This record gives sequence, structure tokens and C-alpha cells, in this order.
Amino acid sequence: DVKVTQSSRYLVKRTGEKVFLECVQDMDHENMFWYRQDPGLGLRLIYFSYDVKMKEKGDIPEGYSVSREKKERFSLILESASTNQTSMYLCASSFPRYLDTQYFGPGTRLTVL
Amino acid sequence: AQTVTQSQPEMSVQEAETVTLSCTYDTSESDYYLFWYKQPPSRQMILVIRQEAYKQQNATENRFSVNFQKAAKSFSLKISDSQLGDAAMYFCAYRRDQGGSEKLVFGKGMKLTVNP
Repeated sequence: DVKVTQSSRYLVKRTGEKVFLECVQDMDHENMFWYRQDPGLGLRLIYFSYDVKMKEKGDIPEGYSVSREKKERFSLILESASTNQTSMYLCASSFPRYLDTQYFGPGTRLTVL
Repeated sequence: AQTVTQSQPEMSVQEAETVTLSCTYDTSESDYYLFWYKQPPSRQMILVIRQEAYKQQNATENRFSVNFQKAAKSFSLKISDSQLGDAAMYFCAYRRDQGGSEKLVFGKGMKLTVNP
């Protein structure tokens, strides 16, 4: 079974802190994604990566950056956390084939105080 | 830009009954893929069913089937013989058929409650 894991299920941080969210997949997937999920807004793509050291902005990249130094790991970085970044963050991965599904991690619920 | 609309934020169904979740999308592309994902409470999002736009036949997966109307840009999900485990958030998603573009566009989701 494909496994996508995220470093924390719940995280509480203070405004201005630098926050790292880690995602690891064990299926040798080329593609990895970071989404933000908010009630009434669905899932919105923050960043995605289609190869090591490669990244592309999604729909809402402002305030975020990413790092992919190894194929299995994709990190989301909040350089200076703000209260409006309180949200559920979902990581996903997939092969780069046209019909391949994205496999999701359990999510990290981040609260910024 | 492509958009996906799920107009009903919540629905409920009695156990063993059938329910249909609606989804419409907007695109100028002719080739694309459509997906329904399920997110149970406090559990991971999983794929329910997928449909290639070039296929006229509607996809089915056990109790789950879709009604794909390409001209109307409609992609509804039918759940037959609803079970308590079907209670979840359901998301409709769209993806272009373009080499290297695996980005999904999601709808806002719909919460399904299954009553015993």
C-alpha cells in the first residue's frame, strides 16, 4: 500500500515563527503536492514538485516556500507564520501518468496563535 | 481557468438508500479527467472513482457510479445501498490532459451524512 506520512497531526505555533511541515512518501512517486484545506473553500494547491529540486507555484503560494532535496520528502515552510495560515495542510503524491491518482497523507492541523 | 462547482454543501441519506452528489465544471478543454475523492472524518482522503472525458461509458466501482454528461459539463456521483461508512466529505476534482500537468482542481466539497 502507498503510504504518505506527515510529521505532525496537530501543531500549534506563534505568530512570526518559522514552521516546517514535512511529508514523506514510500512509493517512489515523482510528483508531490501541498494543499491547504479550509471549510467552504475545498482544497487549494500551494506548491507542487515534479522532481527533486523542482517546484512550481500553485494557486496560493504567498507566504509559503517548499523544499525537495530527496525524492521521497517534500517540505512546506512558513517563513513567518501568521494567524491567517491557521488551516489543515494536506500532502499528496503521485506518479506522472495521466490517470494516476494522488495519494494523500493524514493532514496536519496547524494553529497559529 | 478551470473551475469545479459542488452546489450542495451538505446532504443526508438513509442507510441502504441511494444518493446522488452533483458536480459541474467549467473548461474549454476537450480532453480531461474527472475524479471523486472521499475524506472520512479524521481519516485520509482516498480516491472513489475516476472518469476519462473521452470515454462515453460511465465509470462504476461497486456501489459507486458516475453520470458523466460532457456537453452539460456535469459529473455526478451515485452511491447505491448507502452504508454508515460512506459518511464523509466528498470532493469532485478536474485535471487537464496535458503532458506533465498533474494538478487537480477541487470543488469545495460536500458533507454526506448517513442516517441509520
